[in-house]
Amino acid sequence: SQTIHQWPATLVQPVGSPLSLECTVEGTSNPNLYWYRQAAGRGLQLLFYSVGIGQISSEVPQNLSASRPQDRQFILSSKKLLLSDSGFYLCAWSKFRRGSQDTQYFGPGTRLTVL
Amino acid sequence: DAKTTQPTSMDCAEGRAANLPCNHSTISGNEYVYWYRQIHSQGPQYIIHGLKNNETNEMASLIITEDRKSSTLILPHATLRDTAVYYCIAVNQAGTALIFGKGTTLSVSS
Repeated sequence: SQTIHQWPATLVQPVGSPLSLECTVEGTSNPNLYWYRQAAGRGLQLLFYSVGIGQISSEVPQNLSASRPQDRQFILSSKKLLLSDSGFYLCAWSKFRRGSQDTQYFGPGTRLTVL
Repeated sequence: DAKTTQPTSMDCAEGRAANLPCNHSTISGNEYVYWYRQIHSQGPQYIIHGLKNNETNEMASLIITEDRKSSTLILPHATLRDTAVYYCIAVNQAGTALIFGKGTTLSVSS
């Protein structure tokens, strides 16, 4: 079966500090990978998605970036955090199969607080 | 993706069936109805999805009306651990971004 991991689970960072969140998927190959952010009391916002190594699509222009150095690894980064970057960051994966629906499965999330 | 409308909150007694409604009157023919739930401070959990036919898995049943304008998620025997926010969304087969609304907060009590 497939498993998705995220770390760290919680993070408190000062404004202006760098950020690196990691997501890994086990039990599948060549998954589609996604980064979402869920701000307090608000819905999900898709930040990035990737269909393969080195292939990143950005949905929202901001001071965040994403990278996919390995097939099942997805990293979310920032050089300088802003207060508005606080939120619950979720990684998700899906497996496209021709003729069937592409269901997304979420990780446990990282709670980021920027002070 | 089509807009969905859900009640803000619902209560259910432990052991009873929880029936969560969702309206999606503008759903298009190639959009699937998906249900996820989110327990406080956890990532969303996939529950079930369907296109036209009713669906059942180990977690729940999904009943979709014949005109596809509404659906109902059924948790047959709710437990305290089913207390969560339940999201109904319409997803295009080729879509990438999941857009969650406010969902329904289901409270299961003993």
